[in-house]
Amino acid sequence: QVQLVQSGSELKKPGASVKVSCKTSGYSLTSYTLSWVRQAPGQGPEWMGWINTKTGNPTYAPGFRGRFVFSLDSSVNTAYLQITNLKADDTAVYYCVRENYGPFDPWGHGTLVTVSS
Amino acid sequence: EIVLTQSPGTLSLSPGERATLSCRASQSVYRNYVAWYQQKSGQAPRLLMYAASNRATGIPDRFSGSGSGTDFSLTISRLEPEDCAVYFCHQYGNSPHTFGQGTKLEI
Repeated sequence: QVQLVQSGSELKKPGASVKVSCKTSGYSLTSYTLSWVRQAPGQGPEWMGWINTKTGNPTYAPGFRGRFVFSLDSSVNTAYLQITNLKADDTAVYYCVRENYGPFDPWGHGTLVTVSS
Repeated sequence: EIVLTQSPGTLSLSPGERATLSCRASQSVYRNYVAWYQQKSGQAPRLLMYAASNRATGIPDRFSGSGSGTDFSLTISRLEPEDCAVYFCHQYGNSPHTFGQGTKLEI
């Protein structure tokens, strides 16, 4: 079945970087785009942007330009989210999601990134 | 960007009752491209409805969606204890995608 398996939780200090992976299986990676979604503690989800899985071209939502980088390694069916110069308010669960012709389905299980000194 | 406002913030009902959750958009959503998700504690969201009124695969017919333009709703008939969760609406008709802040359903 379709699965998006993400890397484990991360604890980072302010100013550090983190790279979250999202390994897809059960479908052809290039048939659907992938988005990244952030959910801060007790908050609603927030769309960060998407990556074109055919070309690897990323598109970032307003508010996620500069420190956030989406990338892809098609040879291992894996997408990546890198965040540089981490700040305390980057503390959140980060989800990769398959865009199923619009709605998000399914969601990865999420990766908790905690930024604390 | 389109702002989605969900109401009520929290809804407390009993098993067997009917729940109606509201999602209001700050402007009309293209082609009524609104989805609803269920998020249980400690889990990722799960797609329930798409394009306002279409049930996702495997979702029981106790769940139904309706609405158009700026006003959308999710109805859960015959509530079961397992329906206890936070429900989010999501519009994907206009960029950027946006989500509501959620309605917590207590059973």
